[in-house]
Amino acid sequence: DTGVSQNPRHKITKRGQNVTFRCDPISEHNRLYWYRQTLGQGPEFLTYFQNEAQLEKSRLLSDRFSAERPKGSFSTLEIQRTEQGDSAMYLCASSLGPRTDTQYFGPGTRLTVL
Amino acid sequence: GDSVTQMEGPVTLSEEAFLTINCTYTATGYPSLFWYVQYPGEGLQLLLKATKADDKGSNKGFEATYRKETTSFHLEKGSVQVSDSAVYFCALSGRQAGTALIFGKGTTLSVSS
Repeated sequence: DTGVSQNPRHKITKRGQNVTFRCDPISEHNRLYWYRQTLGQGPEFLTYFQNEAQLEKSRLLSDRFSAERPKGSFSTLEIQRTEQGDSAMYLCASSLGPRTDTQYFGPGTRLTVL
Repeated sequence: GDSVTQMEGPVTLSEEAFLTINCTYTATGYPSLFWYVQYPGEGLQLLLKATKADDKGSNKGFEATYRKETTSFHLEKGSVQVSDSAVYFCALSGRQAGTALIFGKGTTLSVSS
C-alpha cells in the first residue's frame, strides 16, 4: 500500500492556460474525491467518484473544471482557461466504502496561476 | 447547510501543557465526526473519528468525544509534545453533505520546548 499519490506536486501556469492533475488512489479503494484548499481555509469538496461514475459535484466546480476517472482507477482533474482565483492546493482522497469510511488524502498539487 | 466551526488559532503551548481545540458542528441527522492533522509539508492524515453520539475517538494521546447534546467534538491531549506542532482540522460527513467531508478552517498548534 503506497497511499494516495498526486502529480505534479507543484504547477505554475499563466492565466488562460489549461492544466491537468492526476490522482492515483489506494488500489482497492473504489471511492475517489477531489477537494480544493486555499490558504488559511479547510479543504472544500469539489467532486466524487464511485468507481468510474461521477456521482456528486459541488457548486464550486465551474464549467471550466472537469474530472474523469476512466476504468475506475486513476483520476484526472482539468482546469481550462485558468484564472488567478484558481490558485490553490488541489487534494485527492480515496476511501474503501460507505459514507463513514475513512478518506485517505494525497499530498496535493499546488497550483499557482500568474 | 452542514457546517463546522473550530476555534481560531494559532494556539501556542509549552511542551507538556494540556491542549483543547474546540469544534462545534451544524448538521441534519447524525453525522460522523473526524479530526485530521496536517504536519508541515505533509498531506492530511486522519487523527481520530467517531461515528455516533457518545463515541470517543482516540489516537496518539489525543481524544475527542462526540457530544450530540452540545453538537461538539472537542480535541484534547493531556501533554503535548513539540512533534504535535501542526494544523488540526475538524470535519464531518453528514447526510446533507453526501459522502463529502465538510471541514473547519483549521487550527494551527505550535508547541515549544
